[in-house]
Amino acid sequence: GQQVMQIPQYQHVQEGEDFTTYCNSSTTLSNIQWYKQRPGGHPVFLIQLVKSGEVKKQKRLTFQFGEAKKNSSLHITATQTTDVGTYFCAALTYSWGKLQFGAGTQVVVTP
Amino acid sequence: DSGVTQTPKHLITATGQRVTLRCSPRSGDLSVYWYQQSLDQGLQFLIQYYNGEERAKGNILERFSAQQFPDLHSELNLSSLELGDSALYFCASSVGHPNTGELFFGEGSRLTVL
Repeated sequence: GQQVMQIPQYQHVQEGEDFTTYCNSSTTLSNIQWYKQRPGGHPVFLIQLVKSGEVKKQKRLTFQFGEAKKNSSLHITATQTTDVGTYFCAALTYSWGKLQFGAGTQVVVTP
Repeated sequence: DSGVTQTPKHLITATGQRVTLRCSPRSGDLSVYWYQQSLDQGLQFLIQYYNGEERAKGNILERFSAQQFPDLHSELNLSSLELGDSALYFCASSVGHPNTGELFFGEGSRLTVL
């Protein structure tokens, strides 16, 4: 079964609006990564979070790791058409021994 | 360009056949991973290697096998193909021990089974 739950599955956003995608696990995570896959492309690494409560920013993207290290979020402000794609979280625990990807949030931006 | 090379980019074959997908990791990367992505689906982990040794297995079917060679390239062998095996197969590599850093993905091999 899915060990990393990602919501929402789809996100339709008006250009200029903000949105957030969430990644949740019932297990404490050692780290979490975020990837972006453009339509027809391959996943591209965005960020890695390791510390409890960690917050990292990349221009309009803000990534957060929960205090309990069981969830993470990606918040995009002032969405642009270039933000179109699917955003995946990928999480690791020592017991899993492998990076588990969430199902992804497919983002569609309406001009 | 991630530096990870996958061949072939596209492959069309019939049910029951066998295919081999090849992956050359980034120069210096010791870890190689294989993922399957079906239409509008997430990334399903298949298997990972580190410096020639298998390190972890995911939901890889018995009809599938893989290996990493001494020159660190990897091959994924898919046999007795079924319609449901049609998917995009990604190879990824990373520098050190598995799962310790970012993955660099190739452009994928799109397999169509007719």
